[in-house]
Amino acid sequence: SQTIHQWPATLVQPVGSPLSLECTVEGTSNPNLYWYRQAAGRGLQLLFYSVGIGQISSEVPQNLSASRPQDRQFILSSKKLLLSDSGFYLCAWSVFQFDEQYFGPGTRLTVT
Amino acid sequence: GIQVEQSPPDLILQEGANSTLRCNFSDSVNNLQWFHQNPWGQLINLFYIPSGTKQNGRLSATTVATERYSLLYISSSQTTDSGVYFCAVGGNAGGTSYGKLTFGQGTILTVHP
Repeated sequence: SQTIHQWPATLVQPVGSPLSLECTVEGTSNPNLYWYRQAAGRGLQLLFYSVGIGQISSEVPQNLSASRPQDRQFILSSKKLLLSDSGFYLCAWSVFQFDEQYFGPGTRLTVT
Repeated sequence: GIQVEQSPPDLILQEGANSTLRCNFSDSVNNLQWFHQNPWGQLINLFYIPSGTKQNGRLSATTVATERYSLLYISSSQTTDSGVYFCAVGGNAGGTSYGKLTFGQGTILTVHP
């Protein structure tokens, strides 16, 4: 069966520091991968998606970037964090474009 | 892009009561999912239901795509049902991004013993 992992689970970082969040999927090949952010405990917003290695599309302009160095690995990064980057970051995967999406456990980021 | 509206925003029930959560969306969709977010933030898949009716134990869902709404029914509610319920939709309308899910603001359900 397929599983999705994210780490770290929680992170507290000062303003201006770099960021790297990692997501990996097991048990499937060439998944579609997604990064979402949830602010204030309500609806999620799509940040990035990827349909293959090295293929990244950004949904909203921001201080963050994403990379997909391997088939089942998706990384969210920032060179300099802002206070507004605080939030709950969730990675998701699906087999095809409009297939059911499955979410990882998330990373709770606090920028101080 | 697609707009998603959930109602009610908050719902308080006594254990054993039934409830109906509603999700309205503004355009045709290829994907509609219901999620339960637990206190630790994990999004738990309840239903993948772009159209039709499905049931899973005490939960059932119906999507009427032509009228652009979906309903989630919870029967005989339990305290463990508490949490936030999200509806999320995906579609091609208006140049929506590949596979993107647009989430509603959620319904906060509290079930008292």
